Amino acid sequence: KNQVEQSPQSLIILEGKNCTLQCNYTVSPFSNLRWYKQDTGRGPVSLTIMTFSENTKSNGRYTATLDADTKQSSLHITASQLSDSASYICVVSRTSGGSYIPTFGRGTSLIVHP
Amino acid sequence: ETGVTQTPRHLVMGMTNKKSLKCEQHLGHNAMYWYKQSAKKPLELMFVYSLEERVENNSVPSRFSPECPNSSHLFLHLHTLQPEDSALYLCASSQDRAPRSGEQYFGPGTRLTVT
Repeated sequence: KNQVEQSPQSLIILEGKNCTLQCNYTVSPFSNLRWYKQDTGRGPVSLTIMTFSENTKSNGRYTATLDADTKQSSLHITASQLSDSASYICVVSRTSGGSYIPTFGRGTSLIVHP
Repeated sequence: ETGVTQTPRHLVMGMTNKKSLKCEQHLGHNAMYWYKQSAKKPLELMFVYSLEERVENNSVPSRFSPECPNSSHLFLHLHTLQPEDSALYLCASSQDRAPRSGEQYFGPGTRLTVT
């Protein structure tokens, strides 16, 4: 069964601290993995995308890693800011019959306190 | 802004009402999607339109009826909904039905409450 599991479900950190969010998946055949940030009251916005051959990709203070062998990904946030408070969603895509099929995780809710 | 707009942003309706959600994308994309996002659950793909043709319908109840009059507009017609249909309804678009990068651009969503 194609599934995406994210942990922790929620996380509270102090401003300026680092944190790491986890994503484990069983999606197959793997096409790509994307991390989205969803602010309250907004739609998800893509942060990074990783394909099979990529291990690490950065976008400013966000760094995503991918281990295709263990089917795990992480999103590391450095020097957190209040604006990082949001839900972070891991999405793993597979291709089937020429179609693109995403599987969404439940998301990790991050709260950054001053 | 992502280039995808949705109206209304908030909607409260009774179970006997009929309402419609509207989505418009200004990105020149040719595929559009409706998703349902409930609390504590992953996004659920409801409908996919590619070049104005419905290509996917994930066992969605008939009380939800999509319409795609052109590649820029997508509607979701609602009638006789149930309280469990209360959720955030997200519209998204992408360049192709099976894009290499798989990126979808999401609208801000419509927060629907069924009373």
